[in-house]
Amino acid sequence: EIVLTQSPATLSLSPGERATLSCRASQSVTSSLAWYQQKPGQAPRLLIFDASKRATGIPARFSGSGSGTDFTLTISSLEPEDFAVYHCQQCSSFPTITFGQGTRLEIK
Amino acid sequence: EVQLVESGGGLVQPGGSLRLSCTASGFALSKYWMHWVRQVPGKGLAWVSRISGDGSTTTYYADSVRGRFTISRDNAKNTVYLQMNSLRAEDTAVYYCTREYYAYSDHWGQGALVTVSS
Repeated sequence: EIVLTQSPATLSLSPGERATLSCRASQSVTSSLAWYQQKPGQAPRLLIFDASKRATGIPARFSGSGSGTDFTLTISSLEPEDFAVYHCQQCSSFPTITFGQGTRLEIK
Repeated sequence: EVQLVESGGGLVQPGGSLRLSCTASGFALSKYWMHWVRQVPGKGLAWVSRISGDGSTTTYYADSVRGRFTISRDNAKNTVYLQMNSLRAEDTAVYYCTREYYAYSDHWGQGALVTVSS
């Protein structure tokens, strides 16, 4: 099973700052990686798929990069509504799918 | 508007059974693979199962539920099901129904809480 490790577990930043979240895979997942945002009491929302493609309706301040085993989600300038938990997911090991443990982005 | 609504969650004793339903609207269910993903409250997400959209009804399961859970669908009723048997305490979670988009999940239901406890 491909294991995804997200870091840091918690990231404390202020609105307007740049956020950089990491997701590392235990083996190559090529570009088959997605990022989801989850707010308290809500279901996850797809932000980025295929490592760098923004999903429909996702603001341009969200960007994804990486391939192989190392991936990054960048939020260029944090808005108040961006403070949430972020999950990465790999779909390379078809038919099974695995998620990372999540990174909590909190207001400093 | 795409909507997924789960139902059927609740409290069940260890060893018991429960069937979750996911009713879809706003799109042609038969054209999409569908998934179940679960989340222990306060923890990460875990993929459970997926089912093909076409008539072949190809299914896949996570190792942790294979042999105990069965995914199925009734396209005429716009509904996907998750039959859960031999439930264990570690199956306690919120269960989400999701629509597949290029192997990812582009739409999620609000979730159904399943609690396995005596």
